[in-house]
Amino acid sequence: EAGVTQFPSHSVIEKGQTVTLRCDPISGHDNLYWYRRVMGKEIKFLLHFVKESKQDESGMPNNRFLAERTGGTYSTLKVQPAELEDSGVYFCASSLRAGWVYNEQFFGPGTRLTVL
Amino acid sequence: SQQGEEDPQALSIQEGENATMNCSYKTSINNLQWYRQNSGRGLVHLILIRSNEREKHSGRLRVTLDTSKKSSSLLITASRAADTASYFCVDNDMRFGAGTRLTVKP
Repeated sequence: EAGVTQFPSHSVIEKGQTVTLRCDPISGHDNLYWYRRVMGKEIKFLLHFVKESKQDESGMPNNRFLAERTGGTYSTLKVQPAELEDSGVYFCASSLRAGWVYNEQFFGPGTRLTVL
Repeated sequence: SQQGEEDPQALSIQEGENATMNCSYKTSINNLQWYRQNSGRGLVHLILIRSNEREKHSGRLRVTLDTSKKSSSLLITASRAADTASYFCVDNDMRFGAGTRLTVKP
């Protein structure tokens, strides 16, 4: 069974440009999560989709970030315009059931974003 | 301080030795999970311990939980070079600690 995949693995862009990250969850997983780890800091939750609906987007840092999950399959996270502080690793995870209580999330390898 | 804060931040040991990493958290939990991230890879779930459990084992891993002290520890016994990675504890509000970077020297 294929795991969570993310594309690209690395992205280097200049400040002010736009970048779109993609996440393909495990097939059949309705729940999809985005996290990011800014250099040297902890991993932080960004948002949670249940199918195509945003269940919780409380972690989205500002309106330069836009996440979508059209059709409830893969998801994209767009940063526009990118700023220097957006550099970091963006992780995607999926789970069969919602919630973190007794439910394991499967993580993708992450996309390393560098904004110059 | 951060929720799910790991201690130490970095740990370097020789292969075969045991590694102990600690994690403290602030709010009440239903469970605590430990994850590992190898360089360039995603996070891999290691073990989940529920709030009513005090100790749990999985292979060479042993996790303890002390809810009165709001702390947990992850012990890796007989470490191997392949255990080199960052280890994170995560509470049930999906808050991660900064992680402990473990280096196991061959």
